[in-house]
Amino acid sequence: GQQLNQSPQSMFIQEGEDVSMNCTSSSIFNTWLWYKQDPGEGPVLLIALYKAGELTSNGRLTAQFGITRKDSFLNISASIPSDVGIYFCAGQFMNRDDKIIFGKGTRLHILP
Amino acid sequence: EAGVAQSPRYKIIEKRQSVAFWCNPISGHATLYWYQQILGQGPKLLIQFQNNGVVDDSQLPKDRFSAERLKGVDSTLKIQPAKLEDSAVYLCASSFGVRQTYEQYFGPGTRLTVT
Repeated sequence: GQQLNQSPQSMFIQEGEDVSMNCTSSSIFNTWLWYKQDPGEGPVLLIALYKAGELTSNGRLTAQFGITRKDSFLNISASIPSDVGIYFCAGQFMNRDDKIIFGKGTRLHILP
Repeated sequence: EAGVAQSPRYKIIEKRQSVAFWCNPISGHATLYWYQQILGQGPKLLIQFQNNGVVDDSQLPKDRFSAERLKGVDSTLKIQPAKLEDSAVYLCASSFGVRQTYEQYFGPGTRLTVT
């Protein structure tokens, strides 16, 4: 089936560093979503993107909807310990039903 | 505002046994989703309800999985009989609107281990 390629799979950074992760697809998406999942919890929506080229911020988080509609990135600036978790991208296809496809996640670790 | 409630939080069963999970969505949310999240993967949609009707169950393995939302509020997901590959976290989510791009609020999930 359709897949999203999310990278990197995991990241180890120092507190205060900036983080960047991205998702790519061979298919065109109508919507890109970014979620964060903490251990033992369900995903929480961070940012939703609805237009190609759109750049949206939520506090220290910034995400962009790629011009080709086949990619998106998420940046986290000045990371703090509570940023630890798994970040998922998710896309909704164009000209299909409303099904959302999730990437495999990027696991963020912050070194003490 | 209370979030999405799920129970049980953990369940361990042997293969070929049956299991049921319960979900109570956020009050007033018409749409309810069940997702399966295998370790190391993102959630995969199993079934979507709008009120008490099924909107999408194309990825539900209907030979062993069933789900209902009889009164349009809470929902039950059942697996009968379970297989080893069903080991996963089962997440319930709800949203106010019908389209999946409305913000979905997820419950904490039920972690199922099949031995």
